[in-house]
Amino acid sequence: KAGVTQTPRYLIKTRGQQVTLSCSPISGHRSVSWYQQTPGQGLQFLFEYFSETQRNKGNFPGRFSGRQFSNSRSEMNVSTLELGDSALYLCASSLAGSPGNTIYFGEGSWLTVV
Amino acid sequence: DQQVKQNSPSLSVQEGRISILNCDYTNSMFDYFLWYKKYPAEGPTFLISISSIKDKNEDGRFTVFLNKSAKHLSLHIVPSQPGDSAVYFCAASRNYGGATNKLIFGTGTLLAVQP
Repeated sequence: KAGVTQTPRYLIKTRGQQVTLSCSPISGHRSVSWYQQTPGQGLQFLFEYFSETQRNKGNFPGRFSGRQFSNSRSEMNVSTLELGDSALYLCASSLAGSPGNTIYFGEGSWLTVV
Repeated sequence: DQQVKQNSPSLSVQEGRISILNCDYTNSMFDYFLWYKKYPAEGPTFLISISSIKDKNEDGRFTVFLNKSAKHLSLHIVPSQPGDSAVYFCAASRNYGGATNKLIFGTGTLLAVQP
C-alpha cells in the first residue's frame, strides 16, 4: 500500500513569496499532521487536521496555515516567506487520530528560502 | 520548554552488541510514546510504540521500556546491525480529552553501529 506522499520534494523560493505544499495520506487515513524540521529547533508540530477540521495547532505564526480536503489530502501554505522558514516540512498520517494509532511520515518537502 | 529530552546526542556501539537509547519526558499527561528512525533528507520511519498502560513492548530486535514513575523510556536494539546507523527520535503524545496526533519530539540521538 502506498505511503504518505508529499509534493514537491524540493523547492527554492525567494523571501516574501508564498509556498503551498501538498500531502496525500495513506489510503483510509483521516488524520493528517504537519511538522517542521530545522537544525536548530528539531522536529516541531505545526498543525493537525481530522475530517477537514483543524484539531490542533503548534506555536507558529499565522503565516503558516493549512487545510484538509474531503478526500483527506492536505495542503499547507506559508506566506511572506522568511529565510528562517527554510526547513524540511513533513506530513504524517494515521487512521483515526487516536493515541495508539501508528503515525506514518512522508519523505518531506525541502524548502529553501533565498 | 523541552518536554521530551534525549540527553545523548550520539552513541557508538559494535555490531552485534546491544544499543540502548534513552529518552526522558516531563509531562506526566503523555500517554503514548513512539520511536522513529531517521536518515538525512528522509521522513522518520516508525519503529515501535508503547502505551502508558504498559511498561514493555517488543518487536523483533526492538524493545521499548517505559518507566512512568521516572518519566523515562528506552529503546533497546539487539543485536545491533550497521544498517541501524541513523538518528533515533523518541516522541510523545497526550490525549486532550479528544483524539490527537500532536507529537512532541526529542532532539534525537545519532546511533553509529561499527562493523
